[in-house]
Amino acid sequence: EAGVTQSPTHLIKTRGQQATLRCSPISGHTSVYWYQQALGLGLQFLLWYDEGEERNRGNFPPRFSGRQFPNYSSELNVNALELEDSALYLCASSVGGVNYGYTFGSGTRLTVV
Amino acid sequence: GENVEQHPSTLSVQEGDSAVIKCTYSDSASNYFPWYKQELGKGPQLIIDIRSNVGEKKDQRIAVTLNKTAKHFSLHITETQPEDSAVYFCAAPTYGGSQGNLIFGKGTKLSVKP
Repeated sequence: EAGVTQSPTHLIKTRGQQATLRCSPISGHTSVYWYQQALGLGLQFLLWYDEGEERNRGNFPPRFSGRQFPNYSSELNVNALELEDSALYLCASSVGGVNYGYTFGSGTRLTVV
Repeated sequence: GENVEQHPSTLSVQEGDSAVIKCTYSDSASNYFPWYKQELGKGPQLIIDIRSNVGEKKDQRIAVTLNKTAKHFSLHITETQPEDSAVYFCAAPTYGGSQGNLIFGKGTKLSVKP
């Protein structure tokens, strides 16, 4: 069984540009969660999608957005990039909600210069 | 909403010793408590979890204990090995259950010295 896959592995952008990160959940998993892991700050919750709908978002500005497609894959968009957006962005999927735990991908390392 | 506090932030032990990492949570309705291990360059991996209807769960050298009254739970690793060196995260769900998402502690960097 394939795990959660994220692309690209690394992404370098210039301040002010837009970044698009992609995530494919484990087959059969309908929920996708996005987290930001900045250096020394742990895992900060960004967004949760389930059945194509945004269910919850963390304390991040509106320039962080995303969507979930009919095949349950997801996309995270970050507009007007700032230097402090440099971080590892992790995607996780779950089969039956948070009480069944997450499976994480290996992440996308975003560097803003 | 949920708030999860984790300590210590760093922990160094000798190979063969035990390691204990502690977490507290704020939402008394929370009923699921997972622990994740993150190795360098990888995403976090679920290593053990516990639900609120039990007080302890073991899996080989790893155990988790839960005290719902005090709202804290702990990860115990016995007979530590160098490959246990990693960052460990505890978590608890928002909204107390299946309709929420996980809130993570800030992590504990465990170093096991040979």
